[in-house]
Amino acid sequence: DGGITQSPKYLFRKEGQNVTLSCEQNLNHDAMYWYRQDPGQGLRLIYYSQIVNDFQKGDIAEGYSVSREKKESFPLTVTSAQKNPTAFYLCASSIVAGSDNEQFFGPGTRLTVL
Amino acid sequence: KQEVTQIPAALSVPEGENLVLNCSFTDSAIYNLQWFRQDPGKGLTSLLLIQSSQREQTSGRLNASLDKSSGRSTLYIAASQPGDSATYLCAVWNYGGSQGNLIFGKGTKLSVKP
Repeated sequence: DGGITQSPKYLFRKEGQNVTLSCEQNLNHDAMYWYRQDPGQGLRLIYYSQIVNDFQKGDIAEGYSVSREKKESFPLTVTSAQKNPTAFYLCASSIVAGSDNEQFFGPGTRLTVL
Repeated sequence: KQEVTQIPAALSVPEGENLVLNCSFTDSAIYNLQWFRQDPGKGLTSLLLIQSSQREQTSGRLNASLDKSSGRSTLYIAASQPGDSATYLCAVWNYGGSQGNLIFGKGTKLSVKP
């Protein structure tokens, strides 16, 4: 069953804690992305990776960090420096990075800061 | 800076009606435009991708058109069904944008009443 998986589905964090959101894909895609969605807002790009061991900041990277040690995996860490982390986080992938390529999305992780 | 607007923000129609969702963008220098569907609390499902050189794309009861010069796209849904109820998002990829950056609208929430 090919696709993108994200875990956990729901995540609760106390203020001051770092948390890591998982994103795994078995589509053999080179490019992976992290977006944040807030109520009534469009999706905003946090980080993206074009290839293993490479990643670039998106529009709202402050307070977040990523790694890309394996092609299949692109975990996102929400650090304590992120001032307003409560949101719905979506991971996506595409065959390669670039404008001609359709992005496919995972089911999302809802993060709530208590 | 590219801005994507979707009007209306919400739409309610009786089952069986044909309907049109609108998407407008401020910068016509785009590579492509993608329409997505999002069910409550879920990830995004790609519906149609229109390259900048194309005028329209069709998939089943869905037809998406693109007019780059006027900065507009429409998603036409024929013979609507209650299962079509969801939020529909459009997104564009700009010339000059980063390799990761789809710019999203805030979506149109569609409700189809039986």
